[in-house]
Amino acid sequence: DAKTTQPNSMESNEEEPVHLPCNHSTISGTDYIHWYRQLPSQGPEYVIHGLTSNVNNRMASLAIAEDRKSSTLILHRATLRDAAVYYCILPNAGGTSYGKLTFGQGTILTVHP
Amino acid sequence: NAGVTQTPKFQVLKTGQSMTLQCAQDMNHEYMSWYRQDPGMGLRLIHYSVGAGITDQGEVPNGYNVSRSTTEDFPLRLLSAAPSQTSVYFCASRARTGGFTTNEKLFFGSGTQLSVL
Repeated sequence: DAKTTQPNSMESNEEEPVHLPCNHSTISGTDYIHWYRQLPSQGPEYVIHGLTSNVNNRMASLAIAEDRKSSTLILHRATLRDAAVYYCILPNAGGTSYGKLTFGQGTILTVHP
Repeated sequence: NAGVTQTPKFQVLKTGQSMTLQCAQDMNHEYMSWYRQDPGMGLRLIHYSVGAGITDQGEVPNGYNVSRSTTEDFPLRLLSAAPSQTSVYFCASRARTGGFTTNEKLFFGSGTQLSVL
């Protein structure tokens, strides 16, 4: 799998925007960039994914660098419910490891009231 | 749709016992996988499958067996449980679109908390 690098932790205040970075310098041209999050005591849940263009959904926005070697998950107004571990991953697209999808340590987001 | 269903939610085993963690999905997903998560750690891939009859090892496969006889089910077997296998186990699935693309999101079950004494 292409590797991703994320900061171990980040902090934010409630109602402020949060920018969670991810580096993926070995990304291939066909790899989608996926973001998932895991709330305390819950299973991971999908947040957003994209290939080249910036993406928006009701949960967040994904900004992808022009060279695709990095991306940023944007939570426009953090709430206490957004406190979670955020994972940036690149599912393996092909070859003998197709489907192999590994998670790194992720970024622990703390939101202060 | 129920999504990804894992049973049981909680299980306590004694060292050396065997058991099967069940995972079923009703979305006709070709890809299914098992992860374990230890306290304060991220998810580690145990085994995965890209279709019925096809399985492969992940990062931490030792002590676990899997098989995929149907598209819907992907059970995880512990043949002889050890205290090191105390963990929370998550099953996940996603569709496989035509060709080698990764434009499909992953769906997770709610987890099985396993304690081996």
